[in-house]
Amino acid sequence: DTAVSQTPKYLVTQMGNDKSIKCEQNLGHDTMYWYKQDSKKFLKIMFSYNNKELIINETVPNRFSPKSPDKAHLNLHINSLELGDSAVYFCASSQESGHVGEAFFGQGTRLTVV
Amino acid sequence: GQSLEQPSEVTAVEGAIVQINCTYQTSGFYGLSWYQQHDGGAPTFLSYNGLDGLEETGRFSSFLSRSDSYGYLLLQELQMKDSASYFCAVREAGSGAGSYQLTFGKGTKLSVIP
Repeated sequence: DTAVSQTPKYLVTQMGNDKSIKCEQNLGHDTMYWYKQDSKKFLKIMFSYNNKELIINETVPNRFSPKSPDKAHLNLHINSLELGDSAVYFCASSQESGHVGEAFFGQGTRLTVV
Repeated sequence: GQSLEQPSEVTAVEGAIVQINCTYQTSGFYGLSWYQQHDGGAPTFLSYNGLDGLEETGRFSSFLSRSDSYGYLLLQELQMKDSASYFCAVREAGSGAGSYQLTFGKGTKLSVIP
């Protein structure tokens, strides 16, 4: 009954590969996010997806693409992985109508590119 | 654009009180949240201020002054388990009508010492 679940928890892959991280929320929230946390712990927003509207952080390379098959899922696809993509990726969700302010995070996916 | 400033590190003694400040610059501001993250864990929600004033939740309190673009998190009766990173985050308007996004500061690493 995990609120926000993402898989896998760990991902080790070689440069140039394409990989996906899955995220699902069972809270009925209308907004989902992807964040990248680097070694300095900076939580950088990559994408937010609200009511089928995708907002992209302009600094995110187009090798990264979110895919939302439905309101409960927001998957992250990464093409042509680079060493600098190594980080922890967090999925999160929130309800932006009604009570606001609380986002729930998944456990994170630690991506290591070798 | 938007920016949030908070101290990078704070050290405090067990049982003491510590205040972590956050200043922000953003357009379309809706509110300020605080999150706690232990090493290896996911960010977890602590509090949200949509209006000016103080919000209290147990040992933690959060304050917002919209006119000063300033907020703080106050932790009382510090315990060793409070050692973690603390992030302020602004809820702000996204580019589309009715859309929002949650942008984080760089985090404050709190070390509680005996």
